[in-house]
Parts: sequence; C-alpha cells; structure tokens
Amino acid sequence: DIQMTQSPSSVSASVGDRVTITCRASQGISSSLAWYQQKPGKAPNLLIYTASSLQSGVPSRFSGSGSGTDFTLTISSLQPEDFATYFCQQANRFPLTFGGGTKVEIK
Amino acid sequence: EVQLVESGGGLVQPGGSLRLSCGDSGFTSSTYWMTWVRQAPGKGLEWVANIKQDGSEKYYVDSVKGRFTISRDNAKKSLYLQMNSLRAEDTAVYYCATYSSNSGGLVYWGQGTLVTVSS
Repeated sequence: DIQMTQSPSSVSASVGDRVTITCRASQGISSSLAWYQQKPGKAPNLLIYTASSLQSGVPSRFSGSGSGTDFTLTISSLQPEDFATYFCQQANRFPLTFGGGTKVEIK
Repeated sequence: EVQLVESGGGLVQPGGSLRLSCGDSGFTSSTYWMTWVRQAPGKGLEWVANIKQDGSEKYYVDSVKGRFTISRDNAKKSLYLQMNSLRAEDTAVYYCATYSSNSGGLVYWGQGTLVTVSS
C-alpha cells in the first residue's frame, strides 16, 4: 500500500498568512493526488485534484503543486473560514490512502 | 442540488451486523464509481471500499475484506455497505462519496452516519 505522510500535523497562523502543507508518498504516484478541507462535524470537501487542478467553486487562494512523491497545498492568504483540517489522498491505485491530516489553527 | 444521504448507522454489539445505505438526488450517481470512507472519532480519514458504475469491480481495504460488502442498485439510486462481524475498531462515521475515475478525487459526499460497535 502507498503510505501518505503529511506535515506538519498542526500549524498556527493568522488571517492573511501564507500557509503551506506538504504531503509525501511512499512511492511515486505521478500527479494522482487530491486535497480536502474538513471542518468539525462536516464531511470533507474536495479542494484540489490531480495535484494542481482547482475544484469548481474553490477560491483561487488555494493551490496545489508537485508530482512523483512530494506535493504541496498552499493557502496564499488565510481567511477566517479556512481554519480547518486538511487531508491529502493518493489516487494512483487501490487502496486509496489518506495522509494523517493537518489542522490549521488560529494563532 | 447534488445530495447524498446515508442511513443505517447505530449501536451494534461486537460480532453483529449492520447495513448502511446511501441515496442520491440531484444527479445520476449511476455514472460514477462510488466510495465508502470512514472516520473514527477524533481520527483521520480511511478509505473503505469502491464500486464501479455497473458493480463489476469492487475494491476493499484489507481490514474489512471478507467482512464488508459494497453493492449498488442503480435503479433505486442507492449504494450499500453490508457490514458483518463488526469489531470495536469499526466504530466510525461512515461517509459515501462519488469517485471520479478520471481525477481520483472524491467529489460529492454525504453527511455521514455513525456506527458504534460496543457491548
């Protein structure tokens, strides 16, 4: 199985900050990576697919990059509604696997 | 509006069975692969199973193989997860979601249904 390792596990940031979250795959997955945002008590919401494609309706301050084993989710200017937990997910092969999550907290 | 609604969760004793359902409205789920994902209390996301549009392909995480069965009835616009021989570690919120075979992303999600396995 492909293991997905996210870092950091949590980050404290202020409104307007640039936030970067990384995700590393245990083997190459090309660009088969998605990013999700999850708020407490809610289902996850797809932000990015195929590593860098923005899902319809997602604000442009979210961006993704990377290929192979190393990937990044960037929030260019953190907004109050962005405080949440973020997960990466590899889609290269079954079983689909998720990273452990990164909680973005208010500083 | 696209909507997925799960049902069937609840409290069950270890070794028991439960059948989850997921109904859709606002779109044609029969054109999508479908997925079950679970999340234990306070934990991360775990993929459970996938099923192809016509049910001809199914995939499971190792920890549920032989115990869980994913199925669908496109005429009823419904997805199912039959869960047998339940264990305490199966306790989680179970989400159904649509899976894009093009992008690999889970696009539409239900609100989740809680399964608690406890004596």
